[in-house]
Amino acid sequence: NAGVTQTPKFQVLKTGQSMTLQCAQDMNHNSMYWYRQDPGMGLRLIYYSASEGTTDKGEVPNGYNVSRLNKREFSLRLESAAPSQTSVYFCASSEVGGTGGNQPQHFGDGTRLSIL
Amino acid sequence: GESVGLHLPTLSVQEGDNSIINCAYSNSASDYFIWYKQESGKGPQFIIDIRSNMDKRQGQRVTVLLNKTVKHLSLQIAATQPGDSAVYFCAENRRTGRRALTFGSGTRLQVQP
Repeated sequence: NAGVTQTPKFQVLKTGQSMTLQCAQDMNHNSMYWYRQDPGMGLRLIYYSASEGTTDKGEVPNGYNVSRLNKREFSLRLESAAPSQTSVYFCASSEVGGTGGNQPQHFGDGTRLSIL
Repeated sequence: GESVGLHLPTLSVQEGDNSIINCAYSNSASDYFIWYKQESGKGPQFIIDIRSNMDKRQGQRVTVLLNKTVKHLSLQIAATQPGDSAVYFCAENRRTGRRALTFGSGTRLQVQP
């Protein structure tokens, strides 16, 4: 059982380049999330998708876009990468999110992104 | 602003001792709390959760205590082992607003052999 799978694991970009981070879960979860983690800090929410077909902004959405492709997949896109977006990006999923029912989120192992 | 935070950034314990990691939260509307363990190079791993209608919950070698009066959460690890060395995060799920977890900044647990 793979759980949450993120690709790629590492990536180096130049300022201004674009790229898409991929995330897939095989737990049939409704909700999916994208976080970033900076050194010495907790995770901060970028975007989330409470259910297939919906997406909402999180705490730090600027410079990012997302697509909930289907129930399994939730991608994060950087249209024009900036050095401030150097971070580790984590995708997570949960059975039900928010006030609809509290269930733990399950995380992938992250994408380490460096922008030069 | 309201946030989830931790008292100690680093906790060092001897192997076999019990560990206690603390977390303070400020949002009284939060109704669900989770502890995660994160090892180097990996994603956060779920340890244990607790709902606001509970004061205590036990798992295998771990116990989470919730004190809503003082908005305090703690994780107790019994008989700490070297494999417990990691960064531990508490997170809260607020009843209102954004549907996602708010994380604290983490506590690093170092287990000395």
